[in-house]
Amino acid sequence: GAGVSQSPRYKVAKRGQDVALRCDPISGHVSLFWYQQALGQGPEFLTYFQNEAQLDKSGLPSDRFFAERPEGSVSTLKIQRTQQEDSAVYLCASSDSGTASYEQYFGPGTRLTVT
Amino acid sequence: KQEVTQIPAALSVPEGENLVLNCSFTDSAIYNLQWFRQDPGKGLTSLLLIQSSQREQTSGRLNASLDKSSGRSTLYIAASQPGDSATYLCAVPPGGYQKVTFGTGTKLQVIP
Repeated sequence: GAGVSQSPRYKVAKRGQDVALRCDPISGHVSLFWYQQALGQGPEFLTYFQNEAQLDKSGLPSDRFFAERPEGSVSTLKIQRTQQEDSAVYLCASSDSGTASYEQYFGPGTRLTVT
Repeated sequence: KQEVTQIPAALSVPEGENLVLNCSFTDSAIYNLQWFRQDPGKGLTSLLLIQSSQREQTSGRLNASLDKSSGRSTLYIAASQPGDSATYLCAVPPGGYQKVTFGTGTKLQVIP
């Protein structure tokens, strides 16, 4: 597609439920990032993939958070046993690290509400 | 650890005014600096990216400057319009690595 897409756009989960958020990066982009944005805050880094390799997961807040990109394109962020503090917008970005600019292109985000 | 600060947190101006948004960062070893716009309930739209070797970038009514040595960037918006109302975020990756640290943003309201 022309840009980064994410699904679902909105997700309401009951506390304790597992959720899976999907990101489709721009075709050919080797780098993929996940960010968490709480209300009124800037995005916070969660994890980074280069192709299928997860090179940095230092931002994942707990072991309930898991991300994968098995074929180096689509990525899934999974949150197990959701808690209310997980409520946020989850943003995905991709980048063509083959270019000098290293510009990141963002998807529209998935707004997760845990009740 | 890189810290990014944006001042002011919120700004309200009448239509037509020129304005400046500020971004400061603590670690000057950056690869580039990117300014984004975020509309309510939407994702981020890239406005300008300045490479570390550059001092400024321009796109239409927007001009972004970068001073690595002082750890500062400014986004200048000329002749502001109501459609410019949004939150503006600056983002900085450390040198050679794309992991990005964002500021908390400046919420801009342009009043018709």
